[in-house]
Amino acid sequence: QVQLQESGPGLVKPSETLSLTCTVSGDSMNNMYWSWIRRPPGRGLEWIGYISYTGITNYNPSLKSRVTISVDTSKNQFSLKLSSVTAADTAVYYCARGGWSMDCWGQGTLVTVSA
Amino acid sequence: EIVLTQSPGTLSVSPGEGATLSCRASQTVNSNYLAWYQHRPGQAPRLLIYDASSRASGIPDRFSGRGSGTDFTLSISRLEPEDFAVYYCHQYGGSLPYTFGLGTKLEIK
Repeated sequence: QVQLQESGPGLVKPSETLSLTCTVSGDSMNNMYWSWIRRPPGRGLEWIGYISYTGITNYNPSLKSRVTISVDTSKNQFSLKLSSVTAADTAVYYCARGGWSMDCWGQGTLVTVSA
Repeated sequence: EIVLTQSPGTLSVSPGEGATLSCRASQTVNSNYLAWYQHRPGQAPRLLIYDASSRASGIPDRFSGRGSGTDFTLSISRLEPEDFAVYYCHQYGGSLPYTFGLGTKLEIK
């Protein structure tokens, strides 16, 4: 059974780059798309973007200038980088399998942006 | 951007009864590309329904999705204790960005 686990710093300073990794276990990453989603405190879910196993990406236009999603299938991992963060980027970040409907999610990791 | 409005915000129902949750889109959702997720506190969100009415793998038939265009519903029959959670709808059929509703909290009456 596939499992996803987010990892990365829980605290990031304003103007710096948020970096998270999602490790996929229990299945190959091949032939699939992989997504990042976040939920700011007290708000709804926000789609960040997805990447295919071959590296094709699609991003939320509101974040596109600051987001990079990459994949390393040899390590069974994909990653999120969000640059120039502000307090508004404080959220629980989830990784998930699928580029449209998402059938398996990680438990999420809280990232706080604060000096 | 397609805005998804879920109603009600909170629904109080007794175990054993049924519940119907609504998701209304501000524009037509192409190809009925709409999903429903269940989210229990501290757990990973769980895909229930995709493409408006297809049950995801392992989801019991107590869960059913219906709708097309701009109006969608998730129905849950014979509510069990583990069904009390937050439910989100999600559209992936329009122009970017894909969007989620704010959720409906299903609580025990």
